[in-house]
Amino acid sequence: EAQVTQNPRYLITVTGKKLTVTCSQNMNHEYMSWYRQDPGLGLRQIYYSMNVEVTDKGDVPEGYKVSRKEKRNFPLILESPSPNQTSLYFCASSLSGNNQPQHFGDGTRLSIL
Amino acid sequence: GNSVTQMEGPVTLSEEAFLTINCTYTATGYPSLFWYVQYPGEGLQLLLKATKADDKGSNKGFEATYRKETTSFHLEKGSVQVSDSAVYFCALSDQAGGSYIPTFGRGTSLIVHP
Repeated sequence: EAQVTQNPRYLITVTGKKLTVTCSQNMNHEYMSWYRQDPGLGLRQIYYSMNVEVTDKGDVPEGYKVSRKEKRNFPLILESPSPNQTSLYFCASSLSGNNQPQHFGDGTRLSIL
Repeated sequence: GNSVTQMEGPVTLSEEAFLTINCTYTATGYPSLFWYVQYPGEGLQLLLKATKADDKGSNKGFEATYRKETTSFHLEKGSVQVSDSAVYFCALSDQAGGSYIPTFGRGTSLIVHP
């Protein structure tokens, strides 16, 4: 089954404790991205990747890092999480970045205390 | 820059009512347009898309027509069901200027009562 898998689904942690949210897709998609969803603000893109070793900033990259060492994986790293990063996070992938629809994971709800 | 504006919700309807969710956009180039649906506790799923002017996307009884002259992509369904209760997002993808950042509207919550 074609899917985007994120882990964990839920995480409560404390300010400053490094965390990683993993994302994996099994569709051989070139384009992957991370979004955060906040009430009243919709979806905002954090980072995206056009292919292996190619990443670029989205609209709200501050406080986040990503890497793309393999085509299928695109982890999101919060080196020093802060409470304003409490949000619902989605990983997505698409065949290419060229006007293609995206496939989304089920989301990761992060709470930073 | 690009932007997508959707009507604010929630939209509350009775089963079998007609649905319209308005979406207008601004874009630098010639974008592709999408509607996504998000059910509670899940990620977004593509509902339909259109890639050029006058294209009509359709799926599961939902339709939307790409109107370049009015820069709109309104979502419609003739008869909604309780199972259509969800949040609907209008989005565009426009590579003009080398940007690969899709733009999403803020979402419209639909509540359908039996």
